[in-house]
Amino acid sequence: KAGVTQTPRYLIKTRGQQVTLSCSPISGHRSVSWYQQTPGQGLQFLFEYFSETQRNKGNFPGRFSGRQFSNSRSEMNVSTLELGDSALYLCASSLGGSFQETQYFGPGTRLLVL
Amino acid sequence: AQKVTQAQTEISVVEKEDVTLDCVYETRDTTYYLFWYKQPPSGELVFLIRRNSFDEQNEISGRYSWNFQKSTSSFNFTITASQVVDSAVYFCALSEASRRALTFGSGTRLQVQP
Repeated sequence: KAGVTQTPRYLIKTRGQQVTLSCSPISGHRSVSWYQQTPGQGLQFLFEYFSETQRNKGNFPGRFSGRQFSNSRSEMNVSTLELGDSALYLCASSLGGSFQETQYFGPGTRLLVL
Repeated sequence: AQKVTQAQTEISVVEKEDVTLDCVYETRDTTYYLFWYKQPPSGELVFLIRRNSFDEQNEISGRYSWNFQKSTSSFNFTITASQVVDSAVYFCALSEASRRALTFGSGTRLQVQP
């Protein structure tokens, strides 16, 4: 089975721009979660989607948003980029999103905001 | 509030040495899961193990072993006869029923010198 895939792998943007990141979960997985990893804050949960609905959200400003499509693929969007948004964005998938399940991670998208 | 502490920021060992990575967690839930992930330089989080709160049996997988002690809220990870390929950042994570998202520790960077 193919793993979680994320595109693009690297991205450079300037302040004020917006960006969209994409994640394709493992086949059959319906839950997709997004995490931000920075040297200062570590790994932080952004949000989780299941059946095209956001079920859970972390403590991030409204500039961070996401969506999920009927094939479980997910996108996250960051508007009005700030320098502090530079990070590795990781997507993870699991079967149903239960807390008991293992989340499998993709390779991440490295975003650099200049 | 949930919390995961990995007090060791960085550990350096010489190949073939044994090394233990510490993880201490806090939770009010009685049912929870603990995970270990490995993050090589490529960035992807690689799943290593999942353990539920009711199973305190230690687990061994090849050179890897895990010691879960509920009494001390610890879930430590030992690598026996370390190898250069074990060099990575290792994360301990907590998943609770009350919060369908992983709470990560700050990670321990392991460097195995040849």
